[in-house]
Amino acid sequence: DIQMTQSPSSLSASVGDRVTITCRAHQSITNFLNWYQQKPGKAPKLLIYAASNLQRGVPSRFSGSGSGTDFTLTISSLQPEDFATYYCQQSYSNTYTFGQGTKLEIK
Amino acid sequence: QVQLQESGPGLVKPSETLSLTCTVSGGSISGYYWSWIRQPPGKGLEWIGYMYYSGGTNYNPSLKSRVTISVDTSKNQFSLKLNSVTAADTAVYFCARGDYHDSLYYSDYWGQGTLVTVSS
Repeated sequence: DIQMTQSPSSLSASVGDRVTITCRAHQSITNFLNWYQQKPGKAPKLLIYAASNLQRGVPSRFSGSGSGTDFTLTISSLQPEDFATYYCQQSYSNTYTFGQGTKLEIK
Repeated sequence: QVQLQESGPGLVKPSETLSLTCTVSGGSISGYYWSWIRQPPGKGLEWIGYMYYSGGTNYNPSLKSRVTISVDTSKNQFSLKLNSVTAADTAVYFCARGDYHDSLYYSDYWGQGTLVTVSS
């Protein structure tokens, strides 16, 4: 399995802040990387696929970048509805492993 | 708008088989990959596997010996069976639709999830 490590595990920020979450793969996964947002008691929601492609309907304040082993999810100006847990997922190998999650909390 | 809804028992006894069904509405089951993902309480996500609508499966090797996913196109449903369950299989189980973009797999529509507890 390809291990995915996110940092930080939790993050406190304020509305309007710019936030970056990092995901590192333990081997190169080229751009085979997705980002999901999960709110408490809800299903994950696809935000970004192929490292940098914004899923339809997702606000443009979300962006993704990276390739190889290092990837980032950036929220340019945090909104109240963005406080949630974020997961990266690799689909380079046939076992589509997730990172452990980054919980984004209100400061 | 595609919607998915899981159904099945919320309590399963150890060593028995967990069986869940996902009903797809608002879209066809044809042309896509139908998957299951689980999340133990308070923990992260674990991908279980998928089945293509016309056949062909891809399972997580750690669960492969115990998992079967099947698709019923006539009912627009797909199912998960996980046998010989233990307490470690207690989780919220999500069904999801998957697709490929230039060989990259992603899940774009998800069910709300259903909690399955393994306990005697």
